[in-house]
Amino acid sequence: KAGVTQTPRYLIKTRGQQVTLSCSPISGHRSVSWYQQTPGQGLQFLFEYFSETQRNKGNFPGRFSGRQFSNSRSEMNVSTLELGDSALYLCASSFGTRAAGELFFGEGSRLTVL
Amino acid sequence: AQSVTQPDIHITVSEGASLELRCNYSYGATPYLFWYVQSPGQGLQLLLKYFSGDTLVQGIKGFEAEFKRSQSSFNLRKPSVHWSDAAEYFCAVVNSNSGYALNFGKGTSLLVTP
Repeated sequence: KAGVTQTPRYLIKTRGQQVTLSCSPISGHRSVSWYQQTPGQGLQFLFEYFSETQRNKGNFPGRFSGRQFSNSRSEMNVSTLELGDSALYLCASSFGTRAAGELFFGEGSRLTVL
Repeated sequence: AQSVTQPDIHITVSEGASLELRCNYSYGATPYLFWYVQSPGQGLQLLLKYFSGDTLVQGIKGFEAEFKRSQSSFNLRKPSVHWSDAAEYFCAVVNSNSGYALNFGKGTSLLVTP
């Protein structure tokens, strides 16, 4: 079974630009979560989607958004990029409720904002 | 909100020696606790989880963790460390105030010396 696939793996943007990151979950998994990982703040929850609906959202500004498609693939978008948005963005999928199951993480998309 | 603290930022152990990584949680009721490992350039992989029941939990790669309510701890242990165990280890707790998203600790970086 293929794992969680994130694209692109690496990207460089400049301040003010926007970026879209993609995540393909494990086949059969309907829940997709996104986390931001930085050296200073560690791992922080961005949002979670289940059956194309955003179920939860972390404490991030509105510049961070996401969506999920009918095939469970998910995208997240960051608009008006700031230097502080440089981070590893991790996507995780699970079959159902995270409290009962485990999260399967992708290798991440490393974003550098110049 | 539920949170976890990992007191040790870095730990160095010799190959073959035993390992204990500390994790303290803050939550009144029984928390849902996890240990994840992140190898360089990789996503996170679940080592083990605790929801209820037996307080000694066995995980993958020879790891185990013990839930101690009296000490609010969920320490990760391994009797004999291998060089391939060098990685970043994260303790996490489900945050029921945020739709069961995971709150991660800051992580402990493990270095294994010959």
